[in-house]
Amino acid sequence: EPEVTQTPSHQVTQMGQEVILRCVPISNHLYFYWYRQILGQKVEFLVSFYNNEISEKSEIFDDQFSVERPDGSNFTLKIRSTKLEDSAMYFCASSQKAEWNEKLFFGSGTQLSVL
Amino acid sequence: DQQVKQNSPSLSVQEGRISILNCDYTNSMFDYFLWYKKYPAEGPTFLISISSIKDKNEDGRFTVFLNKSAKHLSLHIVPSQPGDSAVYFCAASAGGGSNYKLTFGKGTLLTVNP
Repeated sequence: EPEVTQTPSHQVTQMGQEVILRCVPISNHLYFYWYRQILGQKVEFLVSFYNNEISEKSEIFDDQFSVERPDGSNFTLKIRSTKLEDSAMYFCASSQKAEWNEKLFFGSGTQLSVL
Repeated sequence: DQQVKQNSPSLSVQEGRISILNCDYTNSMFDYFLWYKKYPAEGPTFLISISSIKDKNEDGRFTVFLNKSAKHLSLHIVPSQPGDSAVYFCAASAGGGSNYKLTFGKGTLLTVNP
């Protein structure tokens, strides 16, 4: 079965450094998402992306965050200057459509630790 | 802002018995509800869903019930198996389109004891 893949599985960085989290969505999917889960808290929506544009973003997704689809297969999340509170599990997801009853397919996540 | 609430952080049941996981929501605009299962070191995987026009959806051992007036849904697993031990997330969406997204609860850790 096709799956969303994320790399790396773990990323440790120093506060203030830039990180790029990488995702390869399912090949025929057109809608891409980033979610994150801080330890002990709920999975939170960060951003959705369609047709090379951000469709919607949450208030968490401030100017330090950006997303890009640099080629036909990768979808990346960049955090320009990481903060301690950015430590979380980051999940990439994709869907074929964005209809009202669509389900999202998630990757295994990247555990980001900011020291 | 807890639009989707799972008030039980954990649940423990015996193998073969019924597991009932509960979820409440506050946003009346939600029209589609999903349950995801998550094992350690893996991403959430879709389990079962229900639209707001239905009150029950069944798939094998899994049944989801929706009570719109109470803004409550529940996932029943019968019979429970040790392999069902995982974190279960309730999620909801409101309409489709380019701003489609899921709103999740905090999850319930289900442990099924042999």
